[in-house]
Amino acid sequence: EAGVAQSPRYKIIEKRQSVAFWCNPISGHATLYWYQQILGQGPKLLIQFQNNGVVDDSQLPKDRFSAERLKGVDSTLKIQPAKLEDSAVYLCASSLEPWTGVKAFFGQGTRLTVV
Amino acid sequence: ELKVEQNPLFLSMQEGKNYTIYCNYSTTSDRLYWYRQDPGKSLESLFVLLSNGAVKQEGRLMASLDTKARLSTLHITAAVHDLSATYFCAVVPRKPGATNKLIFGTGTLLAVQP
Repeated sequence: EAGVAQSPRYKIIEKRQSVAFWCNPISGHATLYWYQQILGQGPKLLIQFQNNGVVDDSQLPKDRFSAERLKGVDSTLKIQPAKLEDSAVYLCASSLEPWTGVKAFFGQGTRLTVV
Repeated sequence: ELKVEQNPLFLSMQEGKNYTIYCNYSTTSDRLYWYRQDPGKSLESLFVLLSNGAVKQEGRLMASLDTKARLSTLHITAAVHDLSATYFCAVVPRKPGATNKLIFGTGTLLAVQP
Protein backbone atom coordinates (compact mmCIF):
# COMPACT_ATOMS: atom_id res chain seq x y z
CA GLU A 1 0.00 0.00 0.00
CA ALA A 2 1.42 3.38 -0.99
CA GLY A 3 1.92 5.79 1.89
CA VAL A 4 1.27 9.50 2.25
CA ALA A 5 3.44 11.37 -0.25
CA GLN A 6 4.75 14.86 0.40
CA SER A 7 6.91 17.20 -1.61
CA PRO A 8 9.32 18.81 -1.51
CA ARG A 9 11.32 17.14 1.26
CA TYR A 10 13.35 20.24 1.99
CA LYS A 11 12.91 23.92 1.28
CA ILE A 12 14.98 26.95 2.19
CA ILE A 13 13.53 30.40 1.58
CA GLU A 14 14.13 33.94 2.71
CA LYS A 15 11.70 35.65 5.04
CA ARG A 16 8.81 37.39 3.30
CA GLN A 17 8.98 34.92 0.41
CA SER A 18 6.16 32.49 -0.31
CA VAL A 19 6.25 28.69 -0.34
CA ALA A 20 3.87 25.83 -1.08
CA PHE A 21 3.82 22.24 0.04
CA TRP A 22 1.99 19.37 -1.56
CA CYS A 23 0.44 16.24 -0.08
CA ASN A 24 -1.06 13.17 -1.69
CA PRO A 25 -2.88 11.06 0.91
CA ILE A 26 -3.47 7.33 0.86
CA SER A 27 -6.11 6.41 -1.68
CA GLY A 28 -9.58 6.36 -0.18
CA HIS A 29 -8.69 8.31 2.94
CA ALA A 30 -11.34 10.95 3.49
CA THR A 31 -9.58 12.82 6.27
CA LEU A 32 -6.41 14.82 5.71
CA TYR A 33 -4.42 16.81 8.25
CA TRP A 34 -1.58 19.28 8.12
CA TYR A 35 0.64 19.49 11.19
CA GLN A 36 3.49 21.84 12.03
CA GLN A 37 6.35 20.38 14.07
CA ILE A 38 8.86 22.85 15.42
CA LEU A 39 12.20 21.34 16.42
CA GLY A 40 11.99 19.70 19.84
CA GLN A 41 8.20 19.89 20.07
CA GLY A 42 5.24 17.68 19.31
CA PRO A 43 3.27 18.22 16.11
CA LYS A 44 0.59 20.92 16.21
CA LEU A 45 -2.52 20.62 14.08
CA LEU A 46 -2.91 23.42 11.55
CA ILE A 47 -5.88 22.27 9.53
CA GLN A 48 -8.13 19.24 9.08
CA PHE A 49 -10.09 18.37 5.95
CA GLN A 50 -12.92 15.92 5.60
CA ASN A 51 -13.07 15.18 1.87
CA ASN A 52 -12.66 18.67 0.39
CA GLY A 53 -14.22 20.58 3.26
CA VAL A 54 -12.41 22.22 6.17
CA VAL A 55 -13.57 20.91 9.55
CA ASP A 56 -10.97 22.56 11.78
CA ASP A 57 -8.60 25.40 11.03
CA SER A 58 -8.66 27.04 14.44
CA GLN A 59 -4.88 27.01 14.78
CA LEU A 60 -4.03 28.05 11.25
CA PRO A 61 -2.50 31.57 11.10
CA LYS A 62 -4.87 32.70 8.40
CA ASP A 63 -3.14 35.98 7.74
CA ARG A 64 -0.27 34.08 6.13
CA PHE A 65 -1.20 30.41 5.83
CA SER A 66 -3.74 28.91 3.46
CA ALA A 67 -4.63 25.38 2.48
CA GLU A 68 -6.92 23.70 0.03
CA ARG A 69 -7.91 20.19 -0.89
CA LEU A 70 -9.32 20.14 -4.36
CA LYS A 71 -11.54 17.23 -5.33
CA GLY A 72 -11.05 15.72 -1.89
CA VAL A 73 -7.70 14.14 -2.75
CA ASP A 74 -4.43 16.10 -2.96
CA SER A 75 -3.83 19.08 -0.75
CA THR A 76 -1.56 22.10 -0.80
CA LEU A 77 -0.45 24.26 2.12
CA LYS A 78 0.87 27.74 1.35
CA ILE A 79 2.70 30.30 3.44
CA GLN A 80 2.82 33.89 2.22
CA PRO A 81 4.80 35.75 3.43
CA ALA A 82 7.02 33.46 5.48
CA LYS A 83 8.48 34.47 8.83
CA LEU A 84 11.53 33.11 10.61
CA GLU A 85 9.30 31.35 13.16
CA ASP A 86 7.69 29.30 10.39
CA SER A 87 10.85 27.18 10.23
CA ALA A 88 9.57 23.70 11.03
CA VAL A 89 8.68 20.35 9.55
CA TYR A 90 5.24 20.30 7.95
CA LEU A 91 3.63 16.90 8.21
CA CYS A 92 0.64 15.67 6.26
CA ALA A 93 -1.41 12.77 7.59
CA SER A 94 -4.46 10.93 6.37
CA SER A 95 -6.97 8.45 7.76
CA LEU A 96 -10.13 6.72 6.67
CA GLU A 97 -12.05 8.49 9.41
CA PRO A 98 -11.16 11.27 11.82
CA TRP A 99 -9.44 9.62 14.76
CA THR A 100 -12.03 7.01 15.63
CA GLY A 101 -9.35 4.51 16.45
CA VAL A 102 -8.50 3.86 12.85
CA LYS A 103 -4.81 4.25 12.32
CA ALA A 104 -3.66 7.50 10.75
CA PHE A 105 -0.64 7.58 8.50
CA PHE A 106 1.91 10.37 8.35
CA GLY A 107 4.01 11.44 5.40
CA GLN A 108 7.76 12.04 5.55
CA GLY A 109 7.25 15.76 6.00
CA THR A 110 8.67 18.88 4.40
CA ARG A 111 11.45 20.58 6.34
CA LEU A 112 11.18 24.34 5.87
CA THR A 113 13.99 26.69 6.81
CA VAL A 114 13.29 30.41 6.67
CA VAL A 115 16.43 32.57 6.69
CA GLU B 1 -6.60 24.81 27.36
CA LEU B 2 -5.88 21.14 26.72
CA LYS B 3 -2.44 20.04 27.84
CA VAL B 4 -0.73 16.78 27.09
CA GLU B 5 2.44 16.38 29.11
CA GLN B 6 5.03 13.67 29.00
CA ASN B 7 7.78 12.85 31.39
CA PRO B 8 10.56 12.50 31.30
CA LEU B 9 11.40 14.71 28.32
CA PHE B 10 14.72 12.95 27.93
CA LEU B 11 15.63 9.46 29.00
CA SER B 12 19.03 7.86 28.77
CA MET B 13 19.02 4.22 29.71
CA GLN B 14 21.27 1.21 29.43
CA GLU B 15 20.49 -1.80 27.33
CA GLY B 16 18.67 -4.46 29.28
CA LYS B 17 17.03 -2.07 31.73
CA ASN B 18 13.32 -1.35 32.20
CA TYR B 19 11.69 2.05 32.28
CA THR B 20 8.34 3.81 31.95
CA ILE B 21 7.32 6.95 30.09
CA TYR B 22 4.30 8.79 31.44
CA CYS B 23 1.69 10.77 29.55
CA ASN B 24 -0.76 13.00 31.44
CA TYR B 25 -3.58 14.89 29.79
CA SER B 26 -5.91 17.52 31.09
CA THR B 27 -9.24 16.80 29.39
CA THR B 28 -11.69 13.96 29.08
CA SER B 29 -10.62 11.47 26.47
CA ASP B 30 -11.01 7.80 25.79
CA ARG B 31 -8.69 7.61 22.83
CA LEU B 32 -4.96 7.76 23.17
CA TYR B 33 -2.22 7.03 20.66
CA TRP B 34 1.49 6.38 20.98
CA TYR B 35 3.81 7.27 18.11
CA ARG B 36 7.50 6.76 17.49
CA GLN B 37 9.65 9.21 15.53
CA ASP B 38 13.21 8.49 14.41
CA PRO B 39 15.50 11.47 13.68
CA GLY B 40 14.55 13.11 10.39
CA LYS B 41 11.73 10.65 9.86
CA SER B 42 7.97 10.79 10.08
CA LEU B 43 5.70 9.44 12.79
CA GLU B 44 5.03 5.73 13.10
CA SER B 45 1.92 4.59 14.93
CA LEU B 46 2.69 2.18 17.77
CA PHE B 47 -0.50 1.76 19.78
CA VAL B 48 -4.11 2.87 19.83
CA LEU B 49 -5.78 2.69 23.26
CA LEU B 50 -9.54 3.06 23.13
CA SER B 51 -10.90 2.35 26.59
CA ASN B 52 -10.16 2.59 30.27
CA GLY B 53 -7.85 -0.19 31.33
CA ALA B 54 -6.73 -0.94 27.78
CA VAL B 55 -3.34 -2.57 27.55
CA LYS B 56 -1.45 -3.24 24.34
CA GLN B 57 1.92 -4.92 23.93
CA GLU B 58 4.27 -5.33 21.04
CA GLY B 59 7.75 -6.67 21.53
CA ARG B 60 9.49 -4.82 24.35
CA LEU B 61 6.88 -2.05 24.51
CA MET B 62 3.66 -2.12 26.50
CA ALA B 63 1.15 0.72 26.68
CA SER B 64 -1.74 1.18 29.08
CA LEU B 65 -4.50 3.70 29.62
CA ASP B 66 -6.25 4.90 32.77
CA THR B 67 -8.93 7.35 31.67
CA LYS B 68 -9.99 8.17 35.21
CA ALA B 69 -6.49 9.30 36.13
CA ARG B 70 -6.02 10.78 32.62
CA LEU B 71 -2.77 8.87 32.40
CA SER B 72 -1.13 6.58 29.92
CA THR B 73 2.15 4.75 30.35
CA LEU B 74 4.59 3.29 27.86
CA HIS B 75 6.71 0.63 29.51
CA ILE B 76 9.98 -0.50 28.03
CA THR B 77 11.27 -3.93 28.98
CA ALA B 78 14.91 -4.91 28.56
CA ALA B 79 15.72 -1.97 26.32
CA VAL B 80 17.79 -2.41 23.16
CA HIS B 81 19.57 0.23 21.08
CA ASP B 82 16.99 -0.04 18.27
CA LEU B 83 14.39 1.50 20.58
CA SER B 84 16.25 4.82 20.58
CA ALA B 85 13.82 7.40 19.18
CA THR B 86 11.39 10.10 20.28
CA TYR B 87 8.08 8.81 21.60
CA PHE B 88 4.91 10.89 21.49
CA CYS B 89 1.56 10.30 23.07
CA ALA B 90 -1.44 11.96 21.47
CA VAL B 91 -4.99 12.42 22.71
CA VAL B 92 -8.34 12.94 21.03
CA PRO B 93 -10.36 15.14 23.39
CA ARG B 94 -13.90 13.96 24.02
CA LYS B 95 -15.98 17.00 23.27
CA PRO B 96 -19.56 16.66 22.05
CA GLY B 97 -20.07 18.20 18.66
CA ALA B 98 -16.41 19.01 18.18
CA THR B 99 -14.22 17.67 15.46
CA ASN B 100 -11.90 14.86 16.35
CA LYS B 101 -8.41 16.23 16.43
CA LEU B 102 -5.22 14.74 17.73
CA ILE B 103 -3.31 16.73 20.35
CA PHE B 104 0.29 15.66 20.76
CA GLY B 105 2.38 15.59 23.89
CA THR B 106 5.78 17.16 24.30
CA GLY B 107 7.65 13.99 23.35
CA THR B 108 10.21 11.85 25.19
CA LEU B 109 13.62 11.43 23.62
CA LEU B 110 14.86 7.96 24.48
CA ALA B 111 18.53 7.10 24.10
CA VAL B 112 19.50 3.51 24.82
CA GLN B 113 23.20 3.13 25.55
CA PRO B 114 25.06 -0.14 24.96
